[in-house]
Amino acid sequence: DTGVSQNPRHKITKRGQNVTFRCDPISEHNRLYWYRQTLGQGPEFLTYFQNEAQLEKSRLLSDRFSAERPKGSFSTLEIQRTEQGDSAMYLCASSMTPPGNTEAFFGQGTRLTVV
Amino acid sequence: QQQVKQSPQSLIVQKGGIPIINCAYENTAFDYFPWYQQFPGKGPALLIAIRPDVSEKKEGRFTISFNKSAKQFSLHIMDSQPGDSATYFCAASRTSGTYKYIFGTGTRLKVLA
Repeated sequence: DTGVSQNPRHKITKRGQNVTFRCDPISEHNRLYWYRQTLGQGPEFLTYFQNEAQLEKSRLLSDRFSAERPKGSFSTLEIQRTEQGDSAMYLCASSMTPPGNTEAFFGQGTRLTVV
Repeated sequence: QQQVKQSPQSLIVQKGGIPIINCAYENTAFDYFPWYQQFPGKGPALLIAIRPDVSEKKEGRFTISFNKSAKQFSLHIMDSQPGDSATYFCAASRTSGTYKYIFGTGTRLKVLA
């Protein structure tokens, strides 16, 4: 296992289009997180899954955003009717549940540019 | 109360110098404090982390100092190298519930050869 994998690495889309990103966590990790990072800022929490259950969503996650984690494995983050303000790096992280190692390991991110 | 304040925003040191990056938090419920290193176009990578029951932790050239009463913690990089040039983020979380991280705004470090 080579770590958290995110696809695509880069996405350019026109305003108003829908986009979907995929995250494959480390295989034994049952916790999965999505964060958003804008230029010059630290990552901001968007949402959290434990196995297939989405247990917390940030207020940053507007109605246009939806995330899923079917079968508790990979996760997808969809943004509908994209806006220029959605341009950011979308990061996925995974970790184990205690008493396992709860350190979060991040993927390389998907950079979204909305034109 | 959820914020983590990080300073400085940027830092330039000579090779071999000891850059120090500082963070402060308000929420006393935080009990896990990691530092992440991020290179351009890459995701953050965990460097070192500390819990409030110790005041200092060293791993290789990286040291975290933690002051629980002041609600502050800092990262020291000993014998800094040009390869350490990156953006460094502090974070804080609670080791219960979601374990989500609250990140600082980052420090861009440049180590001159």
